[in-house]
Amino acid sequence: QKEVEQDPGPLSVPEGAIVSLNCTYSNSAFQYFMWYRQYSRKGPELLMYTYSSGNKEDGRFTAQVDKSSKYISLFIRDSQPSDSATYLCAMTRAGGYNKLIFGAGTRLAVHP
Amino acid sequence: DSGVTQTPKHLITATGQRVTLRCSPRSGDLSVYWYQQSLDQGLQFLIQYYNGEERAKGNILERFSAQQFPDLHSELNLSSLELGDSALYFCASSVDRAGRTYGYTFGSGTRLTVV
Repeated sequence: QKEVEQDPGPLSVPEGAIVSLNCTYSNSAFQYFMWYRQYSRKGPELLMYTYSSGNKEDGRFTAQVDKSSKYISLFIRDSQPSDSATYLCAMTRAGGYNKLIFGAGTRLAVHP
Repeated sequence: DSGVTQTPKHLITATGQRVTLRCSPRSGDLSVYWYQQSLDQGLQFLIQYYNGEERAKGNILERFSAQQFPDLHSELNLSSLELGDSALYFCASSVDRAGRTYGYTFGSGTRLTVV
């Protein structure tokens, strides 16, 4: 069993839709949770960075962490064609000194 | 610009050769991570350095080695290259001298093609 599970999609939605992306994990030691966006063959770009359980909002993006269920989500409101990319969840143990463990990534396509 | 600089951006080389990939972390970051991403594959952790010392190893082949220098830049050396080593190689950095991290910042990667 992988430490981090993420549905690879692909996910296709119309412009303006609300997108929900999810990951589950098995290691209860994970404390820091991140979402990255990766355009084709480019470097992953950090979108959201959260610590422990709770919600964090940044513009159209909302990240949720539920440590009791070992489940994290990223919501994208009013999705745009420019949001079309692969979204990767990542997590690590406390301190920021530890390696990131990535999900497989979900490919999202937002069509006009 | 993420602040993490990787060179070269593209590299084409023959099987059996050796190459060196370079990474300059974001200013002030002490920790450097190397990841490999093959075509349509996820990001696989290779190795981590923290302030010059190796801190963690992942699925790194014996043909591969890395180091972090006193100025904190890092190099990933790949030798006896095989066709299957063709991939994107990413470097990321985190953690400043005060122990703060704001997430892990990735560079734009080096695309290695072995022919």
